[in-house]
Amino acid sequence: SQKIEQNSEALNIQEGKTATLTCNYTNYSPAYLQWYRQDPGRGPVFLLLIRENEKEKRKERLKVTFDTTLKQSLFHITASQPADSATYLCALNDYKLSFGAGTTVTVRA
Amino acid sequence: GAVVSQHPSWVICKSGTSVKIECRSLDFQATTMFWYRQFPKQSLMLMATSNEGSKATYEQGVEKDKFLINHASLTLSTLTVTSAHPEDSSFYICSARVGTSGLTDTQYFGPGTRLTVL
Repeated sequence: SQKIEQNSEALNIQEGKTATLTCNYTNYSPAYLQWYRQDPGRGPVFLLLIRENEKEKRKERLKVTFDTTLKQSLFHITASQPADSATYLCALNDYKLSFGAGTTVTVRA
Repeated sequence: GAVVSQHPSWVICKSGTSVKIECRSLDFQATTMFWYRQFPKQSLMLMATSNEGSKATYEQGVEKDKFLINHASLTLSTLTVTSAHPEDSSFYICSARVGTSGLTDTQYFGPGTRLTVL
């Protein structure tokens, strides 16, 4: 089974800076990789999906990259805001979703 | 659109009792629903996948006789934790998927149910 590692448990950044989160996996590359946001005591909310043949995907201030050679996805939040504070989960989609443990981002005003 | 609700949002029960959690897709029909469990600071772990009118498919290590799943309609799935014990205390989250493509169709997650077994 896949082992999914998100590089750090917590990330603290200043408002306006870019947060960069890493998701590494160990086995085969999934056809799709997804990123979710989870607030405390709530279920995950879908943010972005990237396909294995896509290098980069953007949505507003969010950017995701997918490198199947490195077996890695990077998730960027640009011009971060305190409202972006949450836990971000990466998930590999191979007909079932396998989640990483998440990285908690705190944006300081 | 694409809202999934869960009820109750939290429940406290005594050891040995059974607890039922409901998951509803409010504005769409879900061909498939999923049940996850999440322990503090850990990832969501898939427990089972259920299709309307069919028996649920359980992940390895999940006891199907303990975690009973019923998917009676395209908008409702229930998870019953039977003879609950303190180690079953966790955050249970359901999700619902429209369509039949497991790869591209988005899963919409419910808000979760916090179960505490005393």
